[in-house]
Amino acid sequence: EAQVTQNPRYLITVTGKKLTVTCSQNMNHEYMSWYRQDPGLGLRQIYYSMNVEVTDKGDVPEGYKVSRKEKRNFPLILESPSPNQTSLYFCASRRLAEAKNIQYFGAGTRLSVL
Amino acid sequence: KQEVTQIPAALSVPEGENLVLNCSFTDSAIYNLQWFRQDPGKGLTSLLLIQSSQREQTSGRLNASLDKSSGRSTLYIAASQPGDSATYLCAVPPSGNTPLVFGKGTRLSVIA
Repeated sequence: EAQVTQNPRYLITVTGKKLTVTCSQNMNHEYMSWYRQDPGLGLRQIYYSMNVEVTDKGDVPEGYKVSRKEKRNFPLILESPSPNQTSLYFCASRRLAEAKNIQYFGAGTRLSVL
Repeated sequence: KQEVTQIPAALSVPEGENLVLNCSFTDSAIYNLQWFRQDPGKGLTSLLLIQSSQREQTSGRLNASLDKSSGRSTLYIAASQPGDSATYLCAVPPSGNTPLVFGKGTRLSVIA
């Protein structure tokens, strides 16, 4: 079954404590990305990657890091989380540059930073 | 910069009605347009994808149309059911390698 898997699904942490949200896809997709979703602001892209070792900033990259060492994995790293990073986070993947290819989303990670 | 707008922001209809959700985008140079469904607290599920060369796509009770020249897409839901209650989002990538730009969604409630 085609899947994008995120972990954890829920996370409560405190300001400044480093955390990593993992994302894995089983579809051999080149393109992976991270979004955050906030009320009234909609979905905004944080970072994306078009292949292994290739990452680029999205619209709201401040305070986040990513890495793409393997094609299937694209972890999101918050080195020093702050309360304004409390949000619902989604990982997504798709094939590159084919107009008929849909984007698949993970189930989401709800993060609260106290 | 591409902007995507969805109207209305919320819609409540009785069961059985046919309804139309609207999506507009400012730059007609799009690669494709996708409609997603999101249930509360859940991820996004792709419903339909229309390539830039197509005019419409159908899946069951759903029909999506695309008019690139006017910067509009509509999602038509026939014979609505309570299970259709969700937020519907449209999104466009400016090109094959660029991120999706999302609208803020239409929250649909179908009342039994």
